[in-house]
Amino acid sequence: AQTVTQSQPEMSVQEAETVTLSCTYDTSESDYYLFWYKQPPSRQMILVIRQEAYKQQNATENRFSVNFQKAAKSFSLKISDSQLGDAAMYFCAYKRSNDYKLSFGAGTTVTVRA
Amino acid sequence: DSGVTQTPKHLITATGQRVTLRCSPRSGDLSVYWYQQSLDQGLQFLIQYYNGEERAKGNILERFSAQQFPDLHSELNLSSLELGDSALYFCASSVSVSGGAPRETQYFGPGTRLLVL
Repeated sequence: AQTVTQSQPEMSVQEAETVTLSCTYDTSESDYYLFWYKQPPSRQMILVIRQEAYKQQNATENRFSVNFQKAAKSFSLKISDSQLGDAAMYFCAYKRSNDYKLSFGAGTTVTVRA
Repeated sequence: DSGVTQTPKHLITATGQRVTLRCSPRSGDLSVYWYQQSLDQGLQFLIQYYNGEERAKGNILERFSAQQFPDLHSELNLSSLELGDSALYFCASSVSVSGGAPRETQYFGPGTRLLVL
């Protein structure tokens, strides 16, 4: 079974600063996908970024980027130039390429200080 | 807005009752997934449908069932409700390769918050 671990229950960042969220996963597969989802107070699950395991290049979406270390099974999310609207819970998720379900970590709550 | 709609947004009911949650996927998406988010269990996959057929089951209780209709909307039925069923229920959808395993990203609806009293 695949497990996703987010070791940081909470992180705090000053507005305009950078914060990095950690995620590790356990798998024996070579072909899979990794995702970061954001859940603001509205509880909506919003896709932030996705990474295909076969791609060596780290994914980037505007102020959000990942550091994907396949051998280490690590998938961290960096939020640059943090904004008040970034305050949310962030979930790391794993999906095997030929599977249907997403497996989620426990989440990291990000607080942005003005 | 992900394009996935869910109704109702909130539902309050009593133990032993039955409720139905409804989901409409994004236009063109053939796969629908149901997830449960609770404080003690986190986010868990319940069940997946592809073009009307059940494709995968996760941690779904026997008291729960789902179906996907010809117009691709899906319903999750929860019966004999218990206090522990109180949770946020998400529907997600994705475009699937015809007949194959879905490789695309899952887009989530706003969720239905269920409170069982």
